[in-house]
Amino acid sequence: SAVISQKPSRDICQRGTSLTIQCQVDSQVTMMFWYRQQPGQSLTLIATANQGSEATYESGFVIDKFPISRPNLTFSTLTVSNMSPEDSSIYLCSVSAEQGSGYTFGSGTRLTVV
Amino acid sequence: KQEVTQIPAALSVPEGENLVLNCSFTDSAIYNLQWFRQDPGKGLTSLLLIQSSQREQTSGRLNASLDKSSGRSTLYIAASQPGDSATYLCAVRPTSGTYKYIFGTGTRLKVLA
Repeated sequence: SAVISQKPSRDICQRGTSLTIQCQVDSQVTMMFWYRQQPGQSLTLIATANQGSEATYESGFVIDKFPISRPNLTFSTLTVSNMSPEDSSIYLCSVSAEQGSGYTFGSGTRLTVV
Repeated sequence: KQEVTQIPAALSVPEGENLVLNCSFTDSAIYNLQWFRQDPGKGLTSLLLIQSSQREQTSGRLNASLDKSSGRSTLYIAASQPGDSATYLCAVRPTSGTYKYIFGTGTRLKVLA
């Protein structure tokens, strides 16, 4: 299965600033996803990162707040913009090689907004 | 709408016990079901993946079963160890349209030495 490198692993940020999270995969993958896990909660899908086109966002998430790039089949970034304390969460990238195969997750980015 | 529930929400057991974690889902139209482990503040580690045509998968001390018709999966952990302490999540991939996984709420396991 794919190996994912996600960074930073954690950060403490001031409100009103932005943070960009990177996800690098060691092989080409069709699907890349970004999830958010709020404290004490399960995972919520933010968006599907599409190579060469705009990301597909889930209900409740918008591009202005969570811009995503995916320049190729091995790399994606998620930016958390104009942060507030409510954005404090673990953000995870995930990949799936093909339909029917399982998901692999990165090690997560633990974000605290103060 | 697919919903995934995990029971119990939390579990504390002495070392050496065999234990069962439960996952139920409301719609049997799934491609697969995957069990994950999550350590505090960390990402998810895949434990077992069961395709919809399979009944069970085994890896070491772990065994996961799938009964699609009844909407249930169980994760069996044999001879539990303190290192097994973590949150265990199940997730299903529906067959309809999207590749999105639907996650359960997780079971927080603590194995006491």
